[in-house]
Amino acid sequence: NAGVTQTPKFRVLKTGQSMTLLCAQDMNHEYMYWYRQDPGMGLRLIHYSVGEGTTAKGEVPDGYNVSRLKKQNFLLGLESAAPSQTSVYFCASSWTGSPTYEQYFGPGTRLTVT
Amino acid sequence: AQRVTQPEKLLSVFKGAPVELKCNYSYSGSPELFWYVQYSRQRLQLLLRHISRESIKGFTADLNKGETSFHLKKPFAQEEDSAMYYCALMTTDSWGKLQFGAGTQVVVTP
Repeated sequence: NAGVTQTPKFRVLKTGQSMTLLCAQDMNHEYMYWYRQDPGMGLRLIHYSVGEGTTAKGEVPDGYNVSRLKKQNFLLGLESAAPSQTSVYFCASSWTGSPTYEQYFGPGTRLTVT
Repeated sequence: AQRVTQPEKLLSVFKGAPVELKCNYSYSGSPELFWYVQYSRQRLQLLLRHISRESIKGFTADLNKGETSFHLKKPFAQEEDSAMYYCALMTTDSWGKLQFGAGTQVVVTP
């Protein structure tokens, strides 16, 4: 099992450009999450999904959109990138939202917006 | 709103010495608390969680509702414990949504 994979691993964008980050999991998990990690701020939840076809906003959703067309994939889109979106992005998945189930994290995508 | 505070950005300890990472939270209900760890060049992974009452790699953490704390402890630090540690909280009305602290970098020197 690959677990949670993220594509790409690194990306540099110019301000105003758009891109999509792909997260895939092969564990048949219902829940999927996108976090961003910034120095001194830990991880903050951007958007999450409780199942195929459903998405919801997290703590810092502005400037991002997501889609969950297939259960195994969770896409994070930046329509018009800004320097404030320079960060490391982590995807995670879990069986359900219950605390008895661990969230499994991907390796991260390092995004720089110039 | 709930909040997780890890007051130490960096903790430097000698091998064999005890280590304690502090975590305080603010939430009026009964939270679920977790410790996640990120070793160098590895993914973030769950270390332990309050709901399981477990001890992993010699680490323990006790939930103190009176002091709203969930400090992580290990009696004898090892070099392989060097990593970034995050305390996280989940509330009963927002299952699945983890609120992370800022993290504590632990460096264990021989």
